[in-house]
Amino acid sequence: KNQVEQSPQSLIILEGKNCTLQCNYTVSPFSNLRWYKQDTGRGPVSLTIMTFSENTKSNGRYTATLDADTKQSSLHITASQLSDSASYICVVSEGQAGTALIFGKGTTLSVSS
Amino acid sequence: EPEVTQTPSHQVTQMGQEVILRCVPISNHLYFYWYRQILGQKVEFLVSFYNNEISEKSEIFDDQFSVERPDGSNFTLKIRSTKLEDSAMYFCASSSGRLSNEQFFGPGTRLTVL
Repeated sequence: KNQVEQSPQSLIILEGKNCTLQCNYTVSPFSNLRWYKQDTGRGPVSLTIMTFSENTKSNGRYTATLDADTKQSSLHITASQLSDSASYICVVSEGQAGTALIFGKGTTLSVSS
Repeated sequence: EPEVTQTPSHQVTQMGQEVILRCVPISNHLYFYWYRQILGQKVEFLVSFYNNEISEKSEIFDDQFSVERPDGSNFTLKIRSTKLEDSAMYFCASSSGRLSNEQFFGPGTRLTVL
C-alpha cells in the first residue's frame, strides 16, 4: 500500500535553532516528492518539489533532500523563526498521471522564543 | 498574486442533504483538484480534473461525489447525500501542468454534517 511516514510527529525548538524533519515513503510509481507547510486552518503551501533525479533543493531557509534509492527525504530548516511554527507535510506524487498526491500526517513544529 | 479561492468558508448541512462546494482556480491553470482533511488527520486526495474530465480519483471519490466545471472560472464538488463522516475541510487546488508542477491550494471549506 502506498504510504508516506513522517518523523518526528511533533517538535519544539528555540527560535534561531536549526531542525531536520524526516520522511519515508513506499509509493509506486513515484513521480515527485514535495514538502508543504500548513498553518492551522489554512491550505498547504508548497515549499519544494523534487523529481526522481534531484538530490537536494532549497527555498530560502528550507532545504529538502531526496534519496530515491532508500525512499527517504528530509527537510532542513535553518535559523528558525516564530513564523515557522506550522505543520510540515511530506507529499509524494503517485500514478501514471502524477496528479494524485499522497500526504504524510505531518510534523508539527513549534518555535518558541 | 493570483490565488485559489473557495466558497463558502464554512458549510453546515443536515445528513442526507446535497452540498456543492465551489472553487475558483487560478485563471491560467489547466488542472484542478479536490482534497479533504478530516479533523486531526492527514490530507487525502479525492480527484483530479483536466480537459473537462476526471484524470484520477481515489477510493474515497465514490458515486456520492461529482465534480464539474460549469463555466470558465468555477470548479465545483458536489456531494449528493451527505453523511456524518463527510464532515471535513475540503481543499481545492490548481496547477498549470501535472507531474512536477506546483499545486496551489485554496483556503478550504469546512463542511459540518449534522
